[in-house]
Amino acid sequence: AQSVTQLGSHVSVSEGALVLLRCNYSSSVPPYLFWYVQYPNQGLQLLLKYTSAATLVKGINGFEAEFKKSETSFHLTKPSAHMSDAAEYFCAVSDYPGNTPLVFGKGTRLSVIA
Amino acid sequence: GAVVSQHPSRVICKSGTSVKIECRSLDFQATTMFWYRQFPKQSLMLMATSNEGSKATYEQGVEKDKFLINHASLTLSTLTVTSAHPEDSSFYICSAPAAGGSQETQYFGPGTRLLVL
Repeated sequence: AQSVTQLGSHVSVSEGALVLLRCNYSSSVPPYLFWYVQYPNQGLQLLLKYTSAATLVKGINGFEAEFKKSETSFHLTKPSAHMSDAAEYFCAVSDYPGNTPLVFGKGTRLSVIA
Repeated sequence: GAVVSQHPSRVICKSGTSVKIECRSLDFQATTMFWYRQFPKQSLMLMATSNEGSKATYEQGVEKDKFLINHASLTLSTLTVTSAHPEDSSFYICSAPAAGGSQETQYFGPGTRLLVL
């Protein structure tokens, strides 16, 4: 069975500082990995996805994530936080999103301090 | 990109009534759709898999007689919460993998917030 662990339910950074949100996965097959962002009272927006191509994945809004098989990790980073980045972030895994559901982590709430 | 819509976006109902939530794929066909539930400040939990032309598959602990799913066409799945109670209040989100083109992405609807009084 697949699973995702997001370390830290809440991360707080200063505006302009590095954002690092951690995600570790468990999968018996090569995984497809995703990061989604959710703003209050809204649905999910896809930030980026890993689909067995390049291990460093660039997404929207300046975010990127690196797939590290040896560490079973897919951490999300952004060099400089902006106030508008404050939201809930979910890491998710699937063995094949074409016909299987995503398994989500518990989420990490990112706060950005001015 | 592909778009999935949900209707209504929010609904308030009285305890004991039934509520229907629609999930539509607007510009692609979806033989499979997934229904998730998200309680406040929690993650998304899969409720069921909706299959066009066949019965839905429910996750363990989800009452199929309470959460009726009908996948009537290749672009529409409906979730009906029957005899709703306050504990059913939640955010319901559907998703659909795109059939054709890139199948490496699922597209999520904007969600439906249900409040049962």
